[in-house]
Amino acid sequence: DIQMTQSPSSVSASVGDRVTITCRASQGISSWLAWYQQKPGKAPKLLIYAASRLESGVPSRFSGSGSGTEFTLTISSLQPEDFATYYCQQADTFPQITFGQGTRLEIK
Amino acid sequence: EVQLVESGGGLVQPGKSLRLSCAASGFTFSTYSMTWFRQAPGMGLEWLSYISDSSDTKYYADSVKGRFTISRDNAKNSLDLQMTSLRDEDTAVYYCATGSGWQYYFDYWGQGTLVTVSS
Repeated sequence: DIQMTQSPSSVSASVGDRVTITCRASQGISSWLAWYQQKPGKAPKLLIYAASRLESGVPSRFSGSGSGTEFTLTISSLQPEDFATYYCQQADTFPQITFGQGTRLEIK
Repeated sequence: EVQLVESGGGLVQPGKSLRLSCAASGFTFSTYSMTWFRQAPGMGLEWLSYISDSSDTKYYADSVKGRFTISRDNAKNSLDLQMTSLRDEDTAVYYCATGSGWQYYFDYWGQGTLVTVSS
């Protein structure tokens, strides 16, 4: 199985800050990576797919980059609604996919 | 509007069975593969099972292989997950999901149904 490791596990930031979350794969996955946002009590929401493609309707302050084993999700200027938990998902071994453990983004 | 609505969750004793359902609407269900995920309380997301559009291909996570069975009825636009020999560690919110564009990524999710396994 491909293991996905996110860092940090949690981060505190303020509205307007730039935040970067990293996801590392235990082996190369090309660009087969997605990022999701999840708020308490809600289903995950797809933000980024194919490592860097922005899902329709997602604000442009979200961006993704990387390939191979290292990937990043960047939020350029945090908004109040962005405080949530973020997960990466590898699709290289679809349909047997795996997620990172999650990064909790909290208000400072 | 695409909708996925899970049902069937509840409190069940260890060793018992439960059947979850996912009702789909707003898209051509028969042309999309479907996937079940779960999320234990306070934990991350876990992939459980996949079924192809025609049901000819099914996959299961090791954690549920031999205990859970995925199925679908394209005539009824429904997806099921039959869960047997339930364990305490199966306690979770269960989600059905699909990818409308690239099937490898999940842009449509249900709201989830809570399964609690406890005596």
